[in-house]
Amino acid sequence: EVQLLESGGGLVQPGGSLRLSCAASGFRFRKYAMTWVRQAPGRGLEWVSSISDSGSTSYADSVKGRSAISRDNSKGILFLEMNTLRADDTAIYYCAKSLGPVVNTLEYWGQGTPVTVSS
Amino acid sequence: AIQMTQSPPSLSASVGDTVSITCRASQGFRNDFGWYQLKPGQPPKSLIYVISPLQSGVSSRFSVTGAGTNFTLTISSLQPEDFATYFCLHDYDGLLIFGGGTKVEIK
Repeated sequence: EVQLLESGGGLVQPGGSLRLSCAASGFRFRKYAMTWVRQAPGRGLEWVSSISDSGSTSYADSVKGRSAISRDNSKGILFLEMNTLRADDTAIYYCAKSLGPVVNTLEYWGQGTPVTVSS
Repeated sequence: AIQMTQSPPSLSASVGDTVSITCRASQGFRNDFGWYQLKPGQPPKSLIYVISPLQSGVSSRFSVTGAGTNFTLTISSLQPEDFATYFCLHDYDGLLIFGGGTKVEIK
C-alpha cells in the first residue's frame, strides 16, 4: 500500500524558513517523480514544485528562488525547503507521487501538513 | 505562460443528475489531464488520468471525454458523496498547472 506522510509544518514568522518532509513507503520511491502541492485557506490546489526520478527539478513562479525540492532515495524521503516565507505561503502542503519517473499527473497523495506564516 | 480554464466555477445539481466540467489548456500537445476530487478536511482524491481511473475504486459514474487540450469530466447519476470540488491538472514540459476548480453543490 502506497503511503505518503508529510511532516515539518507549523507556525513560522514572515521571512522565516521551513523544511517539509514526506516519508514514502509501499513503492519503489527512486523510480518515481514526486511533487508538492498546496491549498491555501479557501482556495484551490496550487502546484508548488516537482522532482523527477533523476533529480530534475521544477518550481512554480510563486516559490521559485525561495524554495528547494530534494529527495533522499536511500531513505524514501522527499523534502521541500522554503525560505523568505510570506503570509500567502500559508496553506496545507501535500506531497504526491507521479504516475512515472517524469513529472506528470499525480496518483497518490499524503494527508498534508499545515503551514501558517504569521507574526 | 500556460493557462488552464476550468468551467463552470460552480454548479448546483440534485442527486441523480448528470453534470459536466470542462478544462481547456492554452498550450499543450498531449492528452495529459488528470482529474481530482477535493472535500473539506481531506486530501485530494485521484479520479481519472486521460480517460482511465487513477486508482481502483473510482466509480464508473466518472468519465472523461475530449482530446488535445480540451477535456470534459462527466459525473453521471450524482450521488450524495459526489458533492465536492473538482480540479483538472495538466502537465506541460515538466510543469504542472491546476484548473481553478468546480464546486458541485446540492441544489
